[in-house]
Amino acid sequence: DGGITQSPKYLFRKEGQNVTLSCEQNLNHDAMYWYRQDPGQGLRLIYYSQIVNDFQKGDIAEGYSVSREKKESFPLTVTSAQKNPTAFYLCASRDPAGSHYEQYFGPGTRLTVT
Amino acid sequence: DAKTTQPPSMDCAEGRAANLPCNHSTISGNEYVYWYRQIHSQGPQYIIHGLKNNETNEMASLIITEDRKSSTLILPHATLRDTAVYYCIASANAGNNRKLIWGLGTSLAVNP
Repeated sequence: DGGITQSPKYLFRKEGQNVTLSCEQNLNHDAMYWYRQDPGQGLRLIYYSQIVNDFQKGDIAEGYSVSREKKESFPLTVTSAQKNPTAFYLCASRDPAGSHYEQYFGPGTRLTVT
Repeated sequence: DAKTTQPPSMDCAEGRAANLPCNHSTISGNEYVYWYRQIHSQGPQYIIHGLKNNETNEMASLIITEDRKSSTLILPHATLRDTAVYYCIASANAGNNRKLIWGLGTSLAVNP
C-alpha cells in the first residue's frame, strides 16, 4: 500500500535535547510538508520541500531544521532552540503535477518535551 | 488565500445528513474550496474540492453558491466514524508554492 509513515507515534525527550522525527513516503511525490498542531488549533506549516535537495521555511520555522536528501524522506529536527516543542507533528506529501491541491498525511508523531 | 469561517461545532444524528457550512466571502476567481477532515489524533484526510460547480464523490457532496461566497459539505448518511474536525480551505491551485491555510474547523459529533 502506498502512503506516508511517521515514526515513532509517541516521543518523549528532555528539554535541551535535539530530536529528529522521521517521515517516509512511497507515493513518489515530489513535494513534502511538515506541520505542527497544538491542542484545539489548526495546522501550522513549519517547512516544505518541492523537490530533492531544496526546501523552504514555512510560517513557524524557527527552532526547526529539515533535510531532503532523498525523494521519499523528509526528516524534521526539533532543536533545543524551539521554545515550545511539545506538539503533534504531521508530515504530508503532494504530487505537484496533480490537478488539485490534495495533500496526503501521515499518522503524526506526538512529541512531549519535559 | 481567502479567509474561511466555519461554526466551531455541530451535532448530527447517526444516519441523517450532516450539512457543514463554510463562508468564504472574499474568495477570488481562481481559488478552489477544499475540504479535509481530521479524526482525533490522526492526520487530516482529503474529502473533496470544487471551484464553481457542485461536486460529489464517494465520501461527500460539495455545494457551492452561485456567487461562490459560501459552500456546504454534505455527508449524506452520517455514521459514528464521521465524528471528526472538518476543515474548509480556500486556495488557488496554481504554482508549486501554494500553501493551505488551516483554520480551526468544525468539530462534528455524530450521535447514536
